[in-house]
Amino acid sequence: DTEVTQTPKHLVMGMTNKKSLKCEQHMGHRAMYWYKQKAKKPPELMFVYSYEKLSINESVPSRFSPECPNSSLLNLHLHALQPEDSALYLCASSRQEAYNEQFFGPGTRLTVL
Amino acid sequence: QKEVEQNSGPLSVPEGAIASLNCTYSDRGSQSFFWYRQYSGKSPELIMFIYSNGDKEDGRFTAQLNKASQYVSLLIRDSQPSDSATYLCVVNAGSGNTGKLIFGQGTTLQVKP
Repeated sequence: DTEVTQTPKHLVMGMTNKKSLKCEQHMGHRAMYWYKQKAKKPPELMFVYSYEKLSINESVPSRFSPECPNSSLLNLHLHALQPEDSALYLCASSRQEAYNEQFFGPGTRLTVL
Repeated sequence: QKEVEQNSGPLSVPEGAIASLNCTYSDRGSQSFFWYRQYSGKSPELIMFIYSNGDKEDGRFTAQLNKASQYVSLLIRDSQPSDSATYLCVVNAGSGNTGKLIFGQGTTLQVKP
């Protein structure tokens, strides 16, 4: 089973709202990732969790806050976003950080009004 | 700056033909190479990975790697309209950056019936 699930599929929020994106995998993978993808661009890495510890933070604004409650779950907390943050947010996982074969979830389409 | 270069296309081929997608990368230390397929509005799907010089075949897909030339390619035989998508060439960031993938801009493939 190579499935990564993400909820919600779509999210519309105002600039003053607080919301969370959720990601789950049951493949026993020990590395999980958040990416942001704008239209007609490749995914951009935001955060990497390896063995439930944040190992890479690509200088993402503090209005994005990741959380890894356990090895199967990854959350992305959103607060005071800007319209330019509207994008497809992708979660991915891999067997271990060095393994590199990353499997992506279906994504959350985020619109900030 | 570590880079992965792809022709953005569109690459247009008739149904049943061979589609050839090419990619070059700048980091000689890279060890892992991936091809992802992404349909419009969907998330990337891993279709091939290759670690060693030479060819790797999986069904209608063949990945080719030449580390001396820093060149990766994907051949799709008997192209079908359902192969129409954007193909992302992805390379690991080499030693000292395990887990971080460098994405090309993607090549759009159009297979015409």
